Formats: sequence, C-alpha cells, structure tokens
Amino acid sequence: GAVVSQHPSRVICKSGTSVKIECRSLDFQATTMFWYRQFPKQSLMLMATSNEGSKATYEQGVEKDKFLINHASLTLSTLTVTSAHPEDSSFYICSARDNLPNEQFFGPGTRLTVL
Amino acid sequence: AQTVTQSQPEMSVQEAETVTLSCTYDTSESDYYLFWYKQPPSRQMILVIRQEAYKQQNATENRFSVNFQKAAKSFSLKISDSQLGDAAMYFCAYRSANFGNEKLTFGTGTRLTIIP
Repeated sequence: GAVVSQHPSRVICKSGTSVKIECRSLDFQATTMFWYRQFPKQSLMLMATSNEGSKATYEQGVEKDKFLINHASLTLSTLTVTSAHPEDSSFYICSARDNLPNEQFFGPGTRLTVL
Repeated sequence: AQTVTQSQPEMSVQEAETVTLSCTYDTSESDYYLFWYKQPPSRQMILVIRQEAYKQQNATENRFSVNFQKAAKSFSLKISDSQLGDAAMYFCAYRSANFGNEKLTFGTGTRLTIIP
C-alpha cells in the first residue's frame, strides 16, 4: 500500500530558530501534498496545498513567510517553520495524493516543541 | 465553504456491541467524497471508509459501514462487533470532486472508548 513518511517524528528547538520537516511518499509519486496542523485534542486544520514544481497554496490565516513549503520532487515536500516561537508548538501532519484522485495517504506526523 | 460537524465529542461502547458515530456536512456541490478516518493514540491517520456521493449504495468495509443520506447531508459510521483496537479518535471528512480541489475538510472528531 501507499506509504508516507515524515522526518523527524519529533523535534525540540529554541525560540527563534528554524525547523525543517520532510514528507516523503515512499512507493508512489505524489504531485500534490498537503500540510496540516493539529493542536491537542483538536481536529486537523489544513495549512497549505503543495504541488510539485509550483508555489504552495496557503489557507487563509496561514503566514506563508513563516511556514515555507517546498515541493521539489514528486516524492518530497518540506515544511520549514522559520523563526519558531512557542505558539508554533504543535503536531504537523502531511498527506500525499497518489494517482487515485480520491484518496490521500497520511504521514505519521511530527511533534514540534519550541522552547 | 464546506463544513463538517460531529456533534458527539465522546462516545463509549461495550466490547462486541455496535456503535454509531454521527456526522453532518454542508455543501452546495453535488459531487463529492466523504470519509471516516481513525486516529489512534499513535496519531497516525488511518482511512476507515469512504463514500462517493454519486453512489446510492452505502459503503461497507468489514465491521464498518456508513449510512449516507445525501438529501439530509448526513454520513454516520456504524461499527459492529466493537473491538478494543477500535478505541481512537474518529474524524469525518469531506472532499470536493472538483479537480484541483482535493483538500480535506475535517470535523472536530469523536473520541470512541471501548469498554471491556
């Protein structure tokens, strides 16, 4: 089956630093990947849609200069949280769409803690 | 914009019994997909079942089935013969069928507890 990996699984960083999270589709090519944010005991909120070779589309209220998304290949998308602050602490989940147009496969998530 | 509502923050069921999780949605589109996802304590999102809006027949996957009422915009999940491994957060989700708009809109989730 389709597998999506994320790296790292958890990261702790100091306030003001930048953190990069990778999302990889391991056994399929993903022209579209999605980045979600999930606060404790809450639902998933879409942050942005990432298309290979083009700029990401951000949801309303998401700062594109703070959450940099790069989808450089058909199997890799990265989310960089720039100048992280404690309020950026959250669980970040990516998903990737395979050739089937109606299903996304999710990565295991990355827990970010900003001190 | 589409919205998805799950009115049951928590549900519990006795092991081996049947439980139904509710979901309603709002959309002006006629063609779309609906999903139920399970998020266990590991937080890995797992697809439980999906329904295409153009299909009248309710989707079924082993012990999981849905009751899709398009006119009422209702999409409930029935879990039969509940097992301890079914304990998780369950999210209902909507996706447009329009090409280029594949984003998922999630409900707020229902936490399901299985009582041994």
